[in-house]
Amino acid sequence: DAMVIQNPRYQVTQFGKPVTLSCSQTLNHNVMYWYQQKSSQAPKLLFHYYDKDFNNEADTPDNFQSRRPNTSFCFLDIRSPGLGDAAMYLCATSRDVRGGKDEKLFFGSGTQLSVL
Amino acid sequence: AQKVTQAQTEISVVEKEDVTLDCVYETRDTTYYLFWYKQPPSGELVFLIRRNSFDEQNEISGRYSWNFQKSTSSFNFTITASQVVDSAVYFCALIGGSARQLTFGSGTQLTVLP
Repeated sequence: DAMVIQNPRYQVTQFGKPVTLSCSQTLNHNVMYWYQQKSSQAPKLLFHYYDKDFNNEADTPDNFQSRRPNTSFCFLDIRSPGLGDAAMYLCATSRDVRGGKDEKLFFGSGTQLSVL
Repeated sequence: AQKVTQAQTEISVVEKEDVTLDCVYETRDTTYYLFWYKQPPSGELVFLIRRNSFDEQNEISGRYSWNFQKSTSSFNFTITASQVVDSAVYFCALIGGSARQLTFGSGTQLTVLP
């Protein structure tokens, strides 16, 4: 059974039209991450939540926002998608990030975002 | 600063061949952790192994084995008797004591042909 679930699998939006991607987890993990992965590239961390504590990466554009209303759910909001935001968006969880950096990540299958 | 280099962008082998995926890393931290993840066509990254910098013991798990050598800053991954289902992108990753996040290599696309 999938433990990190991302919906939808494919999302098409128009240039400049806000879009929200969702992620849920059944692992009860403290930490949730959003990664952006462009074709043939490594995943790039956008931000993560440790419980309700939001941690933004310095180079994450302001266009990207996130919400975590409860332990199980996390959302990625792209306020005004540009053509360069077309990518796979991966959600991941880990039990803890502060307790030990050797925590492995559990990934969802990703949402492939297309911007027309 | 952390850096992970996976020099092999793409590898193709025929089923049952052995294949080694190279990973070279850079870090100034004395305590760090190394990982391998597999990304099949379905998209999700799947954790394969984790190693800390104080444990240089090589590991074998079925057809998979890992060779960690601090002297050469390498953490190579070997698949023995490869199968078509091994076709995926494989990422090596590193996190050091001073870092806030994993640094991924650029990945190696492995194609196993029947």
